[in-house]
Amino acid sequence: GQNIDQPTEMTATEGAIVQINCTYQTSGFNGLFWYQQHAGEAPTFLSYNVLDGLEEKGRFSSFLSRSKGYSYLLLKELQMKDSASYLCAVKRGYGQNFVFGPGTRLSVLP
Amino acid sequence: NAGVTQTPKFQVLKTGQSMTLQCAQDMNHEYMSWYRQDPGMGLRLIHYSVGAGITDQGEVPNGYNVSRSTTEDFPLRLLSAAPSQTSVYFCASSYSRYTGELFFGEGSRLTVL
Repeated sequence: GQNIDQPTEMTATEGAIVQINCTYQTSGFNGLFWYQQHAGEAPTFLSYNVLDGLEEKGRFSSFLSRSKGYSYLLLKELQMKDSASYLCAVKRGYGQNFVFGPGTRLSVLP
Repeated sequence: NAGVTQTPKFQVLKTGQSMTLQCAQDMNHEYMSWYRQDPGMGLRLIHYSVGAGITDQGEVPNGYNVSRSTTEDFPLRLLSAAPSQTSVYFCASSYSRYTGELFFGEGSRLTVL
């Protein structure tokens, strides 16, 4: 079957670092995407990993371990505007076939 | 550049009514898709299209129809609305049918009474 797990909610303080984990069990793995979704808005693309290792984009980094079925999104120097849900999505096969996790709601407190 | 545009943003239906959610993209994207988002669940794929005239079913297609007569437009039709179809619907597109991130519309919140 296909299963993606993420923590439901997390809380962190402005200026801190937070790590949002994603574990997956899917067949035909062909990449892992992270999206950000503010309440009442559309998801927007953050990062993409297809090989093991760390991808860095400014304050955001994403890590992938294919052998462990594990990824994390690292957010540094947290800002209030980072309060949002973060969606982990696994791409399966050679088409645009994605399985999305339930999302992690992050609250950044002053 | 408008990106992906969905209408309407909000809709209330009675059980048994039909309606169409509109989706248009102006980025010349090959791939278009419809997802529904329900509390506590990930986005689930309803239908998708890899080009004009080509559509296929996703994970939860029952009760929905789609068509793709042009590259730009991908409407989603609810044939006979049921309370279980109360959800937020997102249209998403990507440049390629094989790769790349999805670009999402603003969403359409549908309530079926």
